[in-house]
Amino acid sequence: QSALTQFRSVSGSPGQSVTISCTGTSSDFGGYNYVSWYQHHPGKAPKLMIYDVSERPSGVPDRFSGSKSGNTASLTISGLQAEDEADYYCCSYAGSYSWVFGGGTKLTVL
Amino acid sequence: EVQLLESGGGLVQPGGSLRLSCAGSGFTFSTYAMSWVRQAPGKGLEWVSVISGTGGTTYYADSVRGRFTSSRDNSKNTLYLQMNSLRAEDTAVFYCAKGSSAYFSDVRFFDFWGRGTLVTVSS
Repeated sequence: QSALTQFRSVSGSPGQSVTISCTGTSSDFGGYNYVSWYQHHPGKAPKLMIYDVSERPSGVPDRFSGSKSGNTASLTISGLQAEDEADYYCCSYAGSYSWVFGGGTKLTVL
Repeated sequence: EVQLLESGGGLVQPGGSLRLSCAGSGFTFSTYAMSWVRQAPGKGLEWVSVISGTGGTTYYADSVRGRFTSSRDNSKNTLYLQMNSLRAEDTAVFYCAKGSSAYFSDVRFFDFWGRGTLVTVSS
């Protein structure tokens, strides 16, 4: 499986909104709506932010939202805060008991 | 509080072997599938393997199949990854991640992760 495609970096100012996209093929997404997003501060454990395309685990602020259209999934972060600066990875169940991740997007809060 | 703690990483020569461990706590370990995910330097995350809650079924990424073996000891709440025939391209931080279900076929996401352990394959 090839990695899902993410832009390498995105930036925004505090209070603004940013959208991180994740593009694959129909086989990458496996025809399932099992897209998840992870926040990773280097040196720390990755953290689940969104699952099943748009569901938020308890404790994740509602500033984080997810969506999917066709073969592109998106993570939107509104009201940017300094602590949101991190790497973000999308992930999808790709069928045949395998999972595929995106290459990651580095979010910089200016 | 769910905690996952990886250990066993280190420097190994090409062709060598290494066994990673992941100790889980704060949840009923045996009732969840577990995965290994790795991150090579400067690269993104790569799914490596999944093992069912009972340990009876495993699946692997093409890049490691036949060289890596995942197992678990539910009496010790510990997940393992035996890595053989290691290559330079296996150099990465290896993370263990808790699956969202006991059955690998029902895993939709990974809800908790460890901080990882670094494996360096070099002569």
